[in-house]
Amino acid sequence: AQSVTQLGSHVSVSEGALVLLRCNYSSSVPPYLFWYVQYPNQGLQLLLKYTSAATLVKGINGFEAEFKKSETSFHLTKPSAHMSDAAEYFCAVTRAGGTSYGKLTFGQGTILTVHP
Amino acid sequence: ETGVTQSPTHLIKTRGQQVTLRCSSQSGHNTVSWYQQALGQGPQFIFQYYREEENGRGNFPPRFSGLQFPNYSSELNVNALELDDSALYLCASSLAASRGGQETQYFGPGTRLLVL
Repeated sequence: AQSVTQLGSHVSVSEGALVLLRCNYSSSVPPYLFWYVQYPNQGLQLLLKYTSAATLVKGINGFEAEFKKSETSFHLTKPSAHMSDAAEYFCAVTRAGGTSYGKLTFGQGTILTVHP
Repeated sequence: ETGVTQSPTHLIKTRGQQVTLRCSSQSGHNTVSWYQQALGQGPQFIFQYYREEENGRGNFPPRFSGLQFPNYSSELNVNALELDDSALYLCASSLAASRGGQETQYFGPGTRLLVL
């Protein structure tokens, strides 16, 4: 079974400050990991994904995440927050390869608030 | 814009009724997955269809059923609606090379269902 834990249901930063959203996963097999963003009353938009290539993954809108197997983590960062980054962020895991289907298991989400 | 569309955008039903939600996948995609997102929670996997066949199911009762059509669009049907079925229903499409493919899922904007 796979699971995702997002530490902190709410994160608040000032505009221009570092954004750090935490994600820890549990998986008995090699994982694929994803970050999605959800703006109010919208669906999910893919920010970035880890699929066993480079451990540091760069995504859209200046976000990046680093896969750390020893820490079972996949934290999302952005050096400088912008007001438009205010949204809810979801970390998700699926198993890599094998005969399983592509079921995504999501965390509970982290709401990012950006203050001027 | 992911090219995944869903209809209707909003729906109000009463307990015991039946509902059908529709999803058009991104052009060229052959796999559709459905998720339920209750208020304040992460999406939960309902089931996936690959080339018109169910390809995995989450922990949802049989009154949740689906179809995928030859053009790879999909329907989610829910019978005997319960109050707890109120949620945002998301569909995601992907292009899988095989039944066990782990391709990236692209989400539609969702259908918000309210059961009274």
